[in-house]
Parts: sequence; C-alpha cells; structure tokens
Amino acid sequence: EPEVTQTPSHQVTQMGQEVILRCVPISNHLYFYWYRQILGQKVEFLVSFYNNEISEKSEIFDDQFSVERPDGSNFTLKIRSTKLEDSAMYFCASRHRDSQETQYFGPGTRLLVL
Amino acid sequence: AQKVTQAQTEISVVEKEDVTLDCVYETRDTTYYLFWYKQPPSGELVFLIRRNSFDEQNEISGRYSWNFQKSTSSFNFTITASQVVDSAVYFCALSEGFGNEKLTFGTGTRLTIIP
Repeated sequence: EPEVTQTPSHQVTQMGQEVILRCVPISNHLYFYWYRQILGQKVEFLVSFYNNEISEKSEIFDDQFSVERPDGSNFTLKIRSTKLEDSAMYFCASRHRDSQETQYFGPGTRLLVL
Repeated sequence: AQKVTQAQTEISVVEKEDVTLDCVYETRDTTYYLFWYKQPPSGELVFLIRRNSFDEQNEISGRYSWNFQKSTSSFNFTITASQVVDSAVYFCALSEGFGNEKLTFGTGTRLTIIP
C-alpha cells in the first residue's frame, strides 16, 4: 500500500541553524501539508500546498519557514534559523484531489533544537 | 472558526472493558468532515475513520464503532473489548467544506489499557 515517507526520522540541530525536512507524498496525491506536534500537545496545521504554491498557512508559519516541491516527488519544509521552540515532531501529509479524501500522514521527523 | 474539543485527557480501563472517547466539534460550515486518528507510542498518526456531515449513520469496524450526532455536534468513538494494543493517544479532527481542507485537531485522549 502506498505511504507517505519522511526523512530524517530524527534530527538534532543547534539554535540558529537551518534545517530541511523532507517528505515524499503518495505519488498520485495533489495536496500536501505540514503539521507539527510539540511534545505532549496537539497536532497543529502549518501549511498546505497545491499546484506548486502555498494555499493556506497558519500563524505559526512565519518568515522563518518555507516549503518547496523541488521535483515531482519531494516536498520539503525549511526552517531558516531554528529556535528552541521549533523542537517538535513534524508531520507531512498528502491527499488526493477530492475533498472527501483523507489526509495520509508520514511517520514524522522529530526535531530537537539545542 | 473550527474547533475540536476532547475533554478526556487520559482514560485508563482494564483489558476487555469497553471505552468511549468523546469528541465535540464547532464549525460554521454545513459541509465538513470528521476524523479519528490513532497515535501509538511509536509516534505515527494512523487514520481510523472519516465521516462527512451529510452521513449520520453510525459505523462499526470490528471492535471499533463511531457515533456521529449532528444535534449535539459530537463524534464519539467506542472500543469494545479493549486490548493492550489499543493503548495510544487518540485524536479527533475536523476539516471544513471545500478548499484545502486543513485538519483541526483536538488535544487528544491518552488511552491506557491495563492488562
């Protein structure tokens, strides 16, 4: 069964460093999302992406964040200058075109900023 | 604005007992979708069910059942004959109508099944 994959599974970085989190959505899906989950808290929407542009972003998704679909398969989230409070699990999700379709989540990348 | 409330932060039951996880939602849209996801200790989010706002029929899948009631804006999840493998955090989520359908999650209920 097709699934969303994410790399790396864990990343440790120093405050102020740039990180890139990578996702490979399910191949025939057209909508892509990033969510984050701070330890012990709920899952929060960051950004949605469709047709090579951002469709919607949350207040969390400030100028330090960017997303890109550099080729036909990868979908990346970049954090330009990480802060301690960026430490969280980051989930990628993808969805087929119909609004009735479910978002399928990747296994997540656990980011720790020191 | 959409909102999902899961008032039960943690629940513990003895194995084989039935347990119901509550979910109450708020939305202004007439078209919306409700979801339940399971997050086991390994951390991934596992899709369990999707329900659209036009279909109030309850659903049963094995030991799992869901009760959708628009009148009370609730979408409750029941596990019958619970097993240790059911121990996880369960999230209820909502997406509104047409568009990009971002998910709004509740705060989750941590379910512990005691052997």
